[in-house]
This record gives sequence, structure tokens and C-alpha cells, in this order.
Amino acid sequence: AAGVIQSPRHLIKEKRETATLKCYPIPRHDTVYWYQQGPGQDPQFLISFYEKMQSDKGSIPDRFSAQQFSDYHSELNMSSLELGDSALYFCASSLRGTVPYEQYFGPGTRLTVT
Amino acid sequence: GNSVTQMEGPVTLSEEAFLTINCTYTATGYPSLFWYVQYPGEGLQLLLKATKADDKGSNKGFEATYRKETTSFHLEKGSVQVSDSAVYFCAPPKGNTGKLIFGQGTTLQVKP
Repeated sequence: AAGVIQSPRHLIKEKRETATLKCYPIPRHDTVYWYQQGPGQDPQFLISFYEKMQSDKGSIPDRFSAQQFSDYHSELNMSSLELGDSALYFCASSLRGTVPYEQYFGPGTRLTVT
Repeated sequence: GNSVTQMEGPVTLSEEAFLTINCTYTATGYPSLFWYVQYPGEGLQLLLKATKADDKGSNKGFEATYRKETTSFHLEKGSVQVSDSAVYFCAPPKGNTGKLIFGQGTTLQVKP
């Protein structure tokens, strides 16, 4: 079965640079969630989209923005990167109306800021 | 606010031992509850789910029952294997958008 695809899997950037992370949800899934997991930390919710509209927002810095496109894929744009942004970024997708909020996660993008 | 409290780790067990990882949560009215597992170097996988109060989720020998009266969703397995070594997260969805609120994660180490 198709899973959530994230790209790139690994990304190395320098401070103050910009990064774009991509997420391709499971086909027919209409909701995308982004989470950030710092080293040794639990995942923290950043932002979510339902049917291409932002549906919820968590602890996402103002330097970050995200959107969901017409084909339901989503991109997380991160600017003015800081050392503290080094983390594993997960995307998850779900289909509203099925098992309430059951989310399937991608393998993650490991971002390292030097 | 809503929060999740998990048993602190690491939990170290010998193979074939019985496992319990406690999870309690505040707030009520969760439509469902989940346990996710993260194997070393990998992403998050849904381990099991319960979709209503008193519902029992099970998968790969793991079980957890959604106890509304005690606001708990403890994870159990009768006989752990070395391959079960991973980090386990209790994760109820919050609000009407379903963002997951993760517990602090419990690291399980199973020794042969």
C-alpha cells in the first residue's frame, strides 16, 4: 500500500539559509499534519491543512510557513534557519470521516542546521 | 490544557517478560486514542488504536484499553521480544482537527 512520502530525507543547511520540505500524502487523504521532533524529544505539532486550507496551528515559528496544494501535497518552508531548527520533521496524513484522526506518518526529513 | 503523562523510561526487560507502559491523559471526550511506536532511526508507526470508551486495541501482541473512568490507555504485552525495543508514544488527538498530543515517550529496551 502507498505510504506518505517525504522529501528530502536528509537536509543540511547553514544558519540563515532557507529550506523547503515536501510531503506527499497517501492517495485520497485530505488532511496533512506537520510535526517537529527535536533530539530526544517527543514530536510537537506545527500545523495542519484540510482540503488545502489551514485547519490548525501549533508552535510553529513565524519564520516557517506551509501550504497544501491542489494535488494535496504540502510544503513546509523554513527561512532564516537557526541551529535550534535542527530536528526530524514528520508529515502525517489522514482521511477525515474514517477512524477519527488516525494519522499515517512519513519517514521524516532530518534537517541539520550548521 | 490537555496533556498526556507517560511512564518514564527507559524500561529494561528481559525477553519474554511482561510489559506495561502507563499512559494517562487529562480532558475528556477524545474520539479515539492511539499508541505509536518509533523504532531506532525510523519514523512513527501506528501500533494500535481504540475508537471509543472501553474499546480494546490490539496489534502484534500489544493491547490497550480506552478507560474513560480512569482516563488511562495503558499499553501491555504478555511476552516482549528483543525486536520490540523502541520508543512508545501515547497520543490522543486534540480538538476538532485531530492534531496528536504526544506523551514524552517511553524507551523500551529488551535484552536477550
